[in-house]
Amino acid sequence: GENVEQHPSTLSVQEGDSAVIKCTYSDSASNYFPWYKQELGKRPQLIIDIRSNVGEKKDQRIAVTLNKTAKHFSLHITETQPEDSAVYFCAASMRGNDMRFGAGTRLTVKP
Amino acid sequence: DTGVSQNPRHKITKRGQNVTFRCDPISEHNRLYWYRQTLGQGPEFLTYFQNEAQLEKSRLLSDRFSAERPKGSFSTLEIQRTEQGDSAMYLCASSRDTTFNYGYTFGSGTRLTVV
Repeated sequence: GENVEQHPSTLSVQEGDSAVIKCTYSDSASNYFPWYKQELGKRPQLIIDIRSNVGEKKDQRIAVTLNKTAKHFSLHITETQPEDSAVYFCAASMRGNDMRFGAGTRLTVKP
Repeated sequence: DTGVSQNPRHKITKRGQNVTFRCDPISEHNRLYWYRQTLGQGPEFLTYFQNEAQLEKSRLLSDRFSAERPKGSFSTLEIQRTEQGDSAMYLCASSRDTTFNYGYTFGSGTRLTVV
């Protein structure tokens, strides 16, 4: 089955700096890669996703890149703000079936 | 219908007791997923349904765990003879099987504490 690894486990940045979180996956059949944000005590919420037919997707300050050959994908957050502080999870699946999640990255944005 | 609903929000039970959780997905979503999340970890896949059919179960799902979705709407997850290691947040998610949207919507979870 799919195995997703995520790095780093914790990330601390200064407000206004960029943050990058990286994930690798094992199953070359996976074609859907979402990112979720989970604030303390709350449910994971989808913030951006990418499919294997594109290499990059942007939504305001958030972007995701995908390298299918190397089987890795990354989340980029620019101009970070304190409200970006949360745990971020990457995931991989084939067409949304039985999604597998990474272990998470705790992002802290210091004002 | 404002989202995925899970009940109860919290459950404290004694070791050896049985517990049952309920998940009500978004009404037009035909897929339903159960995940388990422990502190500091990502959601761990347990099982999923398409309509009433249970299509996959994780090897992590021992025979003490059973899930049903009898009419393709709500689902229940039962844990028999609970153990302290079962303490976790149990998350339910749903999605609509379409060509264009695979995104999951999660519920708020049921936090199980086994004492």
